[in-house]
Amino acid sequence: GAVVSQHPSWVICKSGTSVKIECRSLDFQATTMFWYRQFPKQSLMLMATSNEGSKATYEQGVEKDKFLINHASLTLSTLTVTSAHPEDSSFYICSARETAGSTEAFFGQGTRLTVV
Amino acid sequence: GQQVMQIPQYQHVQEGEDFTTYCNSSTTLSNIQWYKQRPGGHPVFLIQLVKSGEVKKQKRLTFQFGEAKKNSSLHITATQTTDVGTYFCARNQAGTALIFGKGTTLSVSS
Repeated sequence: GAVVSQHPSWVICKSGTSVKIECRSLDFQATTMFWYRQFPKQSLMLMATSNEGSKATYEQGVEKDKFLINHASLTLSTLTVTSAHPEDSSFYICSARETAGSTEAFFGQGTRLTVV
Repeated sequence: GQQVMQIPQYQHVQEGEDFTTYCNSSTTLSNIQWYKQRPGGHPVFLIQLVKSGEVKKQKRLTFQFGEAKKNSSLHITATQTTDVGTYFCARNQAGTALIFGKGTTLSVSS
């Protein structure tokens, strides 16, 4: 199956700093990628849809100025957590489909963010 | 989008026992997908169900889609320790993003 690579796999940062997470589709082009957040022992919550060459679409309750998404190419989407706070500590995970009509979603390995 | 409801939240079984997780929606679903997430891992696609009343099998796993396309189930026969993880059902939102149920975490003791 298709491969989605996410980097870094874990990061620890200080409160007030920003952290960038990268999501790459390695063997296919993804015009759309999705960013999820997962708190411990909870489900994956959709944060936003990243669209190549245009603005991301954010889910209700997700601050777009805090979670900056950039989808500059067909194989790369980035999520930047700005001015991070301890409550932003979570597991962030991206996903993509090979085509808009594809059934299966492929997920990156996830990034465990800890804000201290 | 409306989340699909999934029960139970946790299930512990002895190795060899069966396991079932249920997914319910208040609205008709065009399709439903199932994913498995191992501890510390990322979700991995298991299957998609599309047709009313559809039943699909993958070795010891049996997936069902209700006649009204509002519910689905995943049944594992004779669980093994390798079945440990969280099983999520998910529905498509606007044909693209996936909206996940809360998941059922399965633990298996040998």
